[in-house]
Amino acid sequence: QSVLTQPPSASGTPGQRVTISCSGSNSNIGGGTVNWYQQVPGTAPKILIYNNNQRPSGVPDRFSGSKSGTSASLAISGLQSDDEADYYCAAWDDSLNGDVVFGGGTRLTVL
Amino acid sequence: QLQLQEAGPGLVKPSETLSLTCTVSGGSVSSTAYYWGWLRQPPGKGLEYIGSIYYSGSTYYNPSLESRITISVDTSDNQFSLKLQSVTAADTAVYYCARHDVNTGGLALLDSWGQGTLVSVSS
Repeated sequence: QSVLTQPPSASGTPGQRVTISCSGSNSNIGGGTVNWYQQVPGTAPKILIYNNNQRPSGVPDRFSGSKSGTSASLAISGLQSDDEADYYCAAWDDSLNGDVVFGGGTRLTVL
Repeated sequence: QLQLQEAGPGLVKPSETLSLTCTVSGGSVSSTAYYWGWLRQPPGKGLEYIGSIYYSGSTYYNPSLESRITISVDTSDNQFSLKLQSVTAADTAVYYCARHDVNTGGLALLDSWGQGTLVSVSS
């Protein structure tokens, strides 16, 4: 059971816009920032969005993030076949002694 | 170009200690801007944070694993290491080392990852 809640799957056709949600609580998303990671199966995760809505250099502006209260969203516009991957949200949780918590991941399928 | 490389046995027996080392190249574990961490991913499942260390030796550990974990840093060899005691089959996973960009985004911002190494726990 992951601390952050994501839908297990999402899908879209090329060119479409897809959003993936991430729900948490006041001890994690509500009290800090959210990061999103992309993992192509068989490879290491890669940072996609940090600090809710910032893109590292090299990440296309088709990817965007937002946060409101204890929830966050990742949006992918102009969907492409190589966007097919697993997407994870992550945040710092300051309950107990502190912990990095992840969502369970969302498998994105490009139809 | 920063690179991280995990190394260690691919097979560990139940009840024994899993030991992994991450060698950092193109950067320094002594940098004051970063923590260095371990994460894992059981086959077919999601990511789990294990713990992190600063060059000074300051650590953060996943509370659910804390009693079994030791993370250390060797600044002279530019490496950091993970020991996980009393392993069971539930510890079978791909283990990743990674860098935390704490100045930019705190410990949840992992901006560089190793390729990962599969460790199986079996007799």
